[in-house]
Amino acid sequence: GQQLNQSPQSMFIQEGEDVSMNCTSSSIFNTWLWYKQEPGEGPVLLIALYKAGELTSNGRLTAQFGITRKDSFLNISASIPSDVGIYFCAGQIQGAQKLVFGQGTRLTINP
Amino acid sequence: DGGITQSPKYLFRKEGQNVTLSCEQNLNHDAMYWYRQDPGQGLRLIYYSQIVNDFQKGDIAEGYSVSREKKESFPLTVTSAQKNPTAFYLCASSPRARYNEQFFGPGTRLTVL
Repeated sequence: GQQLNQSPQSMFIQEGEDVSMNCTSSSIFNTWLWYKQEPGEGPVLLIALYKAGELTSNGRLTAQFGITRKDSFLNISASIPSDVGIYFCAGQIQGAQKLVFGQGTRLTINP
Repeated sequence: DGGITQSPKYLFRKEGQNVTLSCEQNLNHDAMYWYRQDPGQGLRLIYYSQIVNDFQKGDIAEGYSVSREKKESFPLTVTSAQKNPTAFYLCASSPRARYNEQFFGPGTRLTVL
């Protein structure tokens, strides 16, 4: 099936640092979503984006729908220990009914 | 509280047995989905249903079956035909107005011995 390339696969940072991750594809997307998953739990929806160029914030999290409609970015500012987890991007390809998911970015924070 | 429940949290079965995973939502969402997650992997779609009494195969439907007799329930059966059933199974639902915004349950970890 269609793949999203999510990077980086993992990040090891110090508490207080900013974090950036992204997802790219060769296909055009109508929707981008960002989820966070903690061990043994289901993903939690963080941000949904519907328009090219859209920039949306949720607290310290900011996500953008790329202008080309083929990518999306998630930034976390001033990271704290509870930000630890796996972050997934997901998107709906133009003309498709289903979401496709990236492989995830595992975030580890050193206090 | 509104939400999605999956039961049980952990499930163990012997090889060759069918097993049914429960998913219930009281969010009044029209669409429901089943995903499989393997270690270090993203989510892969097994089946989805956009309306009662109707469902479609996802990317990895072989060895699985579903039913959607009620709006709030979407059980998944893992059959003996599924060659590698041990995985973390996630159920999700979404409202008609924003069907892309899928909300997930807590998951069921199935281990086949």
